[in-house]
Amino acid sequence: AQSVTQLGSHVSVSEGALVLLRCNYSSSVPPYLFWYVQYPNQGLQLLLKYTSAATLVKGINGFEAEFKKSETSFHLTKPSAHMSDAAEYFCAVSRTGGGNKLTFGTGTQLKVEL
Amino acid sequence: DAGVIQSPRHEVTEMGQEVTLRCKPISGHNSLFWYRQTMMRGLELLIYFNNNVPIDDSGMPEDRFSAKMPNASFSTLKIQPSEPRDSAVYFCASSLGGGYDTGELFFGEGSRLTVL
Repeated sequence: AQSVTQLGSHVSVSEGALVLLRCNYSSSVPPYLFWYVQYPNQGLQLLLKYTSAATLVKGINGFEAEFKKSETSFHLTKPSAHMSDAAEYFCAVSRTGGGNKLTFGTGTQLKVEL
Repeated sequence: DAGVIQSPRHEVTEMGQEVTLRCKPISGHNSLFWYRQTMMRGLELLIYFNNNVPIDDSGMPEDRFSAKMPNASFSTLKIQPSEPRDSAVYFCASSLGGGYDTGELFFGEGSRLTVL
């Protein structure tokens, strides 16, 4: 079985500061890993995904995440926060081998302050 | 390309009434998922289908909930009778399915249900 743990249900940063959202995974097989973003009153949108190619994955809106097998982590970062980044972020994991459902974390609400 | 389409976007109903939520997945996607999102419980998987067949309905809260997928382009989630605790945003999502599927989901914009 696979699972993800997101550390911190709420994160607050100043505009222009580094964004770091933490995600640790547990999986008995090599995982696929995802970050989704949910803006208010909208569905979830894919930010980026790791599917066993490059360990540093670049996504939309300047976000990136690094797969670290030794730390079982897939933290999401952005060098400089913008007000428009305020949203809820979900980490998710699925198994390699295809045809499997995602398991989501509990989400991290990102607040960006002036 | 059209994404996942859900209707209605908003539904307000009274306790005891039947509610039907609808979803049209992305064409060519073989897997379809229904999620419920609340402040208290977060994002919960209710049921998912593969090739129109229900694979896992262990997340369906009780017998008042039922879901169908009569064909590859349409699914419904029905609540009968509805209760105030069913108030939530219900999301439909689809994915490619099959051996090359990474599990990446494409979400609709959700149906916000309020049961008075």
